[in-house]
Parts: sequence; structure tokens; C-alpha cells
Amino acid sequence: RKEVEQDPGPFNVPEGATVAFNCTYSNSASQSFFWYRQDCRKEPKLLMSVYSSGNEDGRFTAQLNRASQYISLLIRDSKLSDSATYLCVVGGSGGSNYKLTFGKGTLLTVNP
Amino acid sequence: SAVISQKPSRDICQRGTSLTIQCQVDSQVTMMFWYRQQPGQSLTLIATANQGSEATYESGFVIDKFPISRPNLTFSTLTVSNMSPEDSSIYLCSTGYGGDGEKLFFGSGTQLSVL
Repeated sequence: RKEVEQDPGPFNVPEGATVAFNCTYSNSASQSFFWYRQDCRKEPKLLMSVYSSGNEDGRFTAQLNRASQYISLLIRDSKLSDSATYLCVVGGSGGSNYKLTFGKGTLLTVNP
Repeated sequence: SAVISQKPSRDICQRGTSLTIQCQVDSQVTMMFWYRQQPGQSLTLIATANQGSEATYESGFVIDKFPISRPNLTFSTLTVSNMSPEDSSIYLCSTGYGGDGEKLFFGSGTQLSVL
């Protein structure tokens, strides 16, 4: 299994649609999990952290399943401005928890 | 949070030359990180730069090729040495925040093209 593997995409959805991204990771000892957003030709920016209890930020919901080593991101009522590449990111373990491993990203295009 | 100024934003270089990328953070930070993002690929950590010590390089990256300086707690440079077309990539500096410093802020990146 790759260290961090995401849906290959791309995803093309109409405005208002609900879209879900999935991600799996290989290091069962990883301690931290994130979704980052990267706009075209821009740097990645933190979208949200992911916790075992699940967390929600407006239209965005992230889930973590440690047993399955699986992370998801749900975007409801998608907007044109949600068009971007979404990166699944997993932290290291032990003394290397600050070392982040990035997935290749999933490109989302929201169409009018 | 932190604001990171990175420059140059882009450069086109000749094979065999070197380019130094600079990153300035608006606050003192312990760790700074240098990443590479090759076309269509994920971000890959090159090295971790701590002030007052040698940078720690990840597998596949060596100091001779990517020398790093970290003279103080707000500044770092990455040099891409003896460049070849395979070095064409986006280079990003970052620093962490949060309890374990694992949430990253990134500079705006340097788009490097080597001819």
C-alpha cells in the first residue's frame, strides 16, 4: 500500500452537489491527519484537521477510521470556489510526528 | 499562524548552475521544512532545517545537492546545486504550528525550470 493514496479523480460536479473524497494510509501509528486544499499554481493551505470523532466545518465534514486506516472528506452544497485540488495528508509517528506525507491530490471542478 | 515570504517566485535556469531560494517568516519558529512538488506529483519533504544545527535530509536528498542554511529563527535558504532538467519543480518552504508543529503554513513556492 502506498503511504497515502487518494481517489485519482478528477471529479466534475455541478454547483450544489455533494462530493466525497477518500484516502487510505499505510502507517498505522500515524498521529495526525489533515486535508489541505491547493489552488492551481498556489501553495497548499490547511483546510481542516481530521479527528477520530469526526469533525465538521460548515459544508465540510472529515472522518477518520483508524481501524481501516481510512480518511474521508465530504463537501456539501459545493460552490464554484470549491474547485481546487484536495490533498490528504498524514503525519508521522513517534518523534517524527511533524513529518507530513502528502497524497497526490484529487482535482475537483465545480461547474455552474 | 505565520506569514512566509518566499522568493524568487519563479526562475528559468541553465543546466549546471545553482539557484538559492529564500524564505522569511514573520515570527520566530523552531522548524522550517523544504518540500518539492514535481509536476503531477505529491509534495515530497526534502529536509528539515533547525536553527543552529545541520539540516536533516530525507532519503533520496543529499546536502551536496540541496545545501540549506538556517542562520536564525526567521530565515532559511535552500540551494539547488548543479541543476539538471530533472530538478524542474516547485519548491516550497514551510513551518509548522499547532501543539506538535505538524500543521503547516507554506510559502508561495518557487517554480523552477531548468533548460
